[in-house]
Amino acid sequence: DAGVTQSPTHLIKTRGQHVTLRCSPISGHKSVSWYQQVLGQGPQFIFQYYEKEERGRGNFPDRFSARQFPNYSSELNVNALLLGDSALYLCASSDLPGPLYEQYFGPGTRLTVT
Amino acid sequence: TQLLEQSPQFLSIQEGENLTVYCNSSSVFSSLQWYRQEPGEGPVLLVTVVTGGEVKKLKRLTFQFGDARKDSSLHITAAQPGDTGLYLCAGAPDYKLSFGAGTTVTVRA
Repeated sequence: DAGVTQSPTHLIKTRGQHVTLRCSPISGHKSVSWYQQVLGQGPQFIFQYYEKEERGRGNFPDRFSARQFPNYSSELNVNALLLGDSALYLCASSDLPGPLYEQYFGPGTRLTVT
Repeated sequence: TQLLEQSPQFLSIQEGENLTVYCNSSSVFSSLQWYRQEPGEGPVLLVTVVTGGEVKKLKRLTFQFGDARKDSSLHITAAQPGDTGLYLCAGAPDYKLSFGAGTTVTVRA
């Protein structure tokens, strides 16, 4: 069975631009979470979605938004990119929402903002 | 300030040696998780410890949860080059999973 897939793998954007990152969860998983991992740090929670509804939001500005589609795939959008947004963006899927359910991570999208 | 502090930040050892990495917090957790992340990949869950004082073994890896449920350790016996990676601990004091900064382990052949 396919694991969590993310696209694109790498992305280079300029300050002020907008970016959309995509995630397809493991088949049967209805919950998707997004994390930002800056070099040298652990992942930081951005959002969690379950059944197309936002279930949790981390300490990120309103420039970050996400949504989940009927097929449970998800998009993360970041507006007005800053240099500090350069990071590995990870998507994780799980059966149910909540941090205690095992999350399966995708390989991530490496975003570089210049 | 990190909710979960991991030490050391970097560890480089020779194949066959033992190593221990630590995860500490001032907060109490209902459970802690350990992940390993390899370059170019997402973290992979190794274990979840739930009970204070609990010890779990996964082949050459031994995980311990502190009695007060504020800290945890990961011990690797006879490390192999395949154990190389970033080891992350994570806990959920509320609805979201919080990770430590990780320990980068390099095992030299």
